Amino acid sequence: DAGVIQSPRHEVTEMGQEVTLRCKPISGHNSLFWYRQTMMRGLELLIYFNNNVPIDDSGMPEDRFSAKMPNASFSTLKIQPSEPRDSAVYFCASSPDGLTEAFFGQGTRLTVV
Amino acid sequence: GIQVEQSPPDLILQEGANSTLRCNFSDSVNNLQWFHQNPWGQLINLFYIPSGTKQNGRLSATTVATERYSLLYISSSQTTDSGVYFCAVEWFKGRVLVFGKGTRLSVIA
Repeated sequence: DAGVIQSPRHEVTEMGQEVTLRCKPISGHNSLFWYRQTMMRGLELLIYFNNNVPIDDSGMPEDRFSAKMPNASFSTLKIQPSEPRDSAVYFCASSPDGLTEAFFGQGTRLTVV
Repeated sequence: GIQVEQSPPDLILQEGANSTLRCNFSDSVNNLQWFHQNPWGQLINLFYIPSGTKQNGRLSATTVATERYSLLYISSSQTTDSGVYFCAVEWFKGRVLVFGKGTRLSVIA
């Protein structure tokens, strides 16, 4: 298995632009997580899907952030409009269910200038 | 919510030395994982260890869930062990991993 695949690996965008991050979970995993990593706040959960349904989005910082999982093999995290404080590394992770081992993608490093 | 505390925050070792990293958590957990974030930013799974002891080469881990802590042992450290080690727990009231702030390890040749 190729593991969790995220794209792009790096993204540089101007403030105000829309940014879309993509994630392909490990086949057969039915839980998907989006995390954000910053120096100040460490690794924090943004949103959690189970069987393509958003279960916990309490970590989504504000309405500029949205996430979708249209099918079991694809998820997106969108920021519109982007701001410099959104600069961070965004990780996607998946697990067979919510109670077993989670595996992380390589992350997308987002820089908003 | 649950609190996850890791110690020490920073650690510098001479190559070949042994070390113990600690993770304390404030409530019951269903799951505990240790990760290594390498200098390229990748989060690599080390152990899935909600309880008991596991070993993988020079690394081993022990979780004592009843006392709410886990330990990661690194023996005969190598420069490639450098990076940040994270403990993450799945709180029994939730279904997601909550991360500690990590231990930054530097192994010097």
